[in-house]
Amino acid sequence: AQSVTQLGSHVSVSEGALVLLRCNYSSSVPPYLFWYVQYPNQGLQLLLKYTSAATLVKGINGFEAEFKKSETSFHLTKPSAHMSDAAEYFCAVSDSDSWGKLQFGAGTQVVVTP
Amino acid sequence: EAQVTQNPRYLITVTGKKLTVTCSQNMNHEYMSWYRQDPGLGLRQIYYSMNVEVTDKGDVPEGYKVSRKEKRNFPLILESPSPNQTSLYFCATRLGGASSTGELFFGEGSRLTVL
Repeated sequence: AQSVTQLGSHVSVSEGALVLLRCNYSSSVPPYLFWYVQYPNQGLQLLLKYTSAATLVKGINGFEAEFKKSETSFHLTKPSAHMSDAAEYFCAVSDSDSWGKLQFGAGTQVVVTP
Repeated sequence: EAQVTQNPRYLITVTGKKLTVTCSQNMNHEYMSWYRQDPGLGLRQIYYSMNVEVTDKGDVPEGYKVSRKEKRNFPLILESPSPNQTSLYFCATRLGGASSTGELFFGEGSRLTVL
């Protein structure tokens, strides 16, 4: 069974600084990995996904993530934080054998300070 | 416009009073699912449906029922709500089978408070 661990439930970054959100996964088969973002009072929307193509994945709003099999990680980064990046971010994993089960991490709340 | 619509968005109710949260999608997706979101726990799957008349339990199904009589609708039923079901609920959909990329499309959420 797959699982996801997000390190840090809250992250505070200054506007213009690097955003780094950590995600480690465990999966018994090659995984599919996702990052979702949740803005206040909204549902989740997809930022980016890894499905066994390129290991560096580019998403919306300037975010990207790198799949590192040796480290079982899929960390999310953005070079320069914007105030509009304040939101909660969720990492999720699905087994490649079955789409039925998407396992989410506990989430990381990002606060951006001026 | 592609949409997943949940109703109600907000509800305060009392213990034991049956309620239904509706979910409707206009994307012709085979797969539909319900999640609950609680602080520090992320999203946990309650039930999911791979297609009409096919439903299965997720990680936290106790106290919930679902039905899938039509492709577009997937209501979540709380027969006898209890305070521990106070939560934020999300309906999510995606394409099924080989057509799927795994991406889930979410509704805007239904915040339920059980007193």
